[in-house]
Amino acid sequence: KQEVTQIPAALSVPEGENLVLNCSFTDSAIYNLQWFRQDPGKGLTSLLLIQSSQREQTSGRLNASLDKSSGRSTLYIAASQPGDSATYLCAVFTTDSWGKLQFGAGTQVVVTP
Amino acid sequence: DGGITQSPKYLFRKEGQNVTLSCEQNLNHDAMYWYRQDPGQGLRLIYYSQIVNDFQKGDIAEGYSVSREKKESFPLTVTSAQKNPTAFYLCASSYGSNTEAFFGQGTRLTVV
Repeated sequence: KQEVTQIPAALSVPEGENLVLNCSFTDSAIYNLQWFRQDPGKGLTSLLLIQSSQREQTSGRLNASLDKSSGRSTLYIAASQPGDSATYLCAVFTTDSWGKLQFGAGTQVVVTP
Repeated sequence: DGGITQSPKYLFRKEGQNVTLSCEQNLNHDAMYWYRQDPGQGLRLIYYSQIVNDFQKGDIAEGYSVSREKKESFPLTVTSAQKNPTAFYLCASSYGSNTEAFFGQGTRLTVV
């Protein structure tokens, strides 16, 4: 059974510092991996989608890498801002069960001014 | 604007009542999903549907029911059989299993 883990559970950094968020998964048989942002009491906002054949994906200050063989993905956020404060979740679509987007528990990020 | 609309934003249920959460999408997506989110836990899949008139149970389907009569709509009913329904419910959709998933803004259900 696919398990997705995000460490650390919480992270606090000063404004301007780069953020590094980690996601690991136990089964490398995935279609893709997706990173989301969630603000308190809100739904999820899609940040980046990495297909299983890709190594990385970039959007503005965000860069996500994927290493399927080691079961790891990393989300980098450059030059963090207080507005980046949120919970970040990663999720994988597994090939063994159609439609099952498996989530990690998330990393809660606070960027202090 | 294309997107996923969940309603209501807040819902209160009395003991023994069934309640229905609405999810509508205008993205022309084939697949739709319902997730439950509890504090400190990741999202857990309740039900999903690949096409109209077809749906499958997820990890925690007991006490819930769904229908998929139209491509754009996937309502979730929380029945009285669900013993601990207080949670944040999120609806999502995608073209398929290898495409980007999009989420609604959620419905917070509270038992009173």
